[in-house]
Amino acid sequence: KNEVEQSPQNLTAQEGEFITINCSYSVGISALHWLQQHPGGGIVSLFMLSSGKKKHGRLIATINIQEKHSSLHITASHPRDSAVYICAVTGNQFYFGTGTSLTVIP
Amino acid sequence: GAVVSQHPSRVICKSGTSVKIECRSLDFQATTMFWYRQFPKKSLMLMATSNEGSKATYEQGVEKDKFLINHASLTLSTLTVTSAHPEDSSFYICSAKRVDTQYFGPGTRLTVL
Repeated sequence: KNEVEQSPQNLTAQEGEFITINCSYSVGISALHWLQQHPGGGIVSLFMLSSGKKKHGRLIATINIQEKHSSLHITASHPRDSAVYICAVTGNQFYFGTGTSLTVIP
Repeated sequence: GAVVSQHPSRVICKSGTSVKIECRSLDFQATTMFWYRQFPKKSLMLMATSNEGSKATYEQGVEKDKFLINHASLTLSTLTVTSAHPEDSSFYICSAKRVDTQYFGPGTRLTVL
């Protein structure tokens, strides 16, 4: 069993839809990261969370430390949001989820 | 925003040769850089933490003699894959930490024939 589990693995949405990607982890952590990887491979760090909620533009990330769960929300999704979204946690070491492949259709 | 570059972006080499990958922080100094390897199904694995002026810290299961890391300056870390084999073919990514944010390089795709 992976220390970090993401769901769904694949997600297709119509432009404008509200999207939620979930991440659950089983280890003690000091921070949780949401990463975005575009088809070319480049990775961008979207958020680093240790508690509560963060918002950046149309992206919102929340974390519930007690439930060991985080969600990444995308409001008013757009085709340019199509990418792989990876959840990662840092504790004693780095653990990565296998990613959620998001495709937003115009 | 902060930028991290990697060179080369793609490399193809013969089995048994060594390959060096560079990771540079272009507009900030990074005392710590990280090296990752990306396996199929998109998961990333942290290979090692590169510390400027000292030895790298390798994660469990990563061969330090196979994957040589040198962090010679505050803006440059290198990963050398020694005596590469086809199973070393992978996507290698570096990151550098600035304050509380990780900035990732674009990655290097290594193919060992």
